[in-house]
Amino acid sequence: GDSVTQMEGPVTLSEEAFLTINCTYTATGYPSLFWYVQYPGEGLQLLLKATKADDKGSNKGFEATYRKETTSFHLEKGSVQVSDSAVYFCALQMNTGFQKLVFGTGTRLLVSP
Amino acid sequence: KAGVTQTPRYLIKTRGQQVTLSCSPISGHRSVSWYQQTPGQGLQFLFEYFSETQRNKGNFPGRFSGRQFSNSRSEMNVSTLELGDSALYLCASSFYRDFTGELFFGEGSRLTVL
Repeated sequence: GDSVTQMEGPVTLSEEAFLTINCTYTATGYPSLFWYVQYPGEGLQLLLKATKADDKGSNKGFEATYRKETTSFHLEKGSVQVSDSAVYFCALQMNTGFQKLVFGTGTRLLVSP
Repeated sequence: KAGVTQTPRYLIKTRGQQVTLSCSPISGHRSVSWYQQTPGQGLQFLFEYFSETQRNKGNFPGRFSGRQFSNSRSEMNVSTLELGDSALYLCASSFYRDFTGELFFGEGSRLTVL
């Protein structure tokens, strides 16, 4: 079935470091891809999305490019802040008209001053 | 405007009991989905509702059920609770019937089964 694989965490970085969180997917068709973020004590929030190959999603300094050839959607940020500490989830949604999201296991990011 | 509201936020039950969780979507949203989040299995899809109709269901046993009311509020029920049902249950809402936008998640109901 459809699935998402994320790198294991936690990822520990110092403030202003470069961030990459790897995400790859397996799907029978061409899904839409998402990154959701869960801050401590809060619900999941959409961070960015891409709906077709070569699309780049971006928000709050984060970026991810939909790579069909490598079935990947890696999350990057050039300079992380302490406030970026959270759990990041990669997810896919098949374009079937249903809202079901298939999530990765999540990657915890810890940013220290 | 108010976000997705889930009640109760925390609850403790014992094995064999049943539980009902409630979700009030964002005003105007007619689509509601439920997810179970556990450290071992991550986030897993439970159900999806639109206009009081279940449109999609995940791979959970029949002990897990749900419904949606005419005002779009939704409830999920778990009967004959097992220890493994301990989890954070997340509700998400969306305006659209077909997914063309983001899902808005509540903070969840944390269920502990003793």
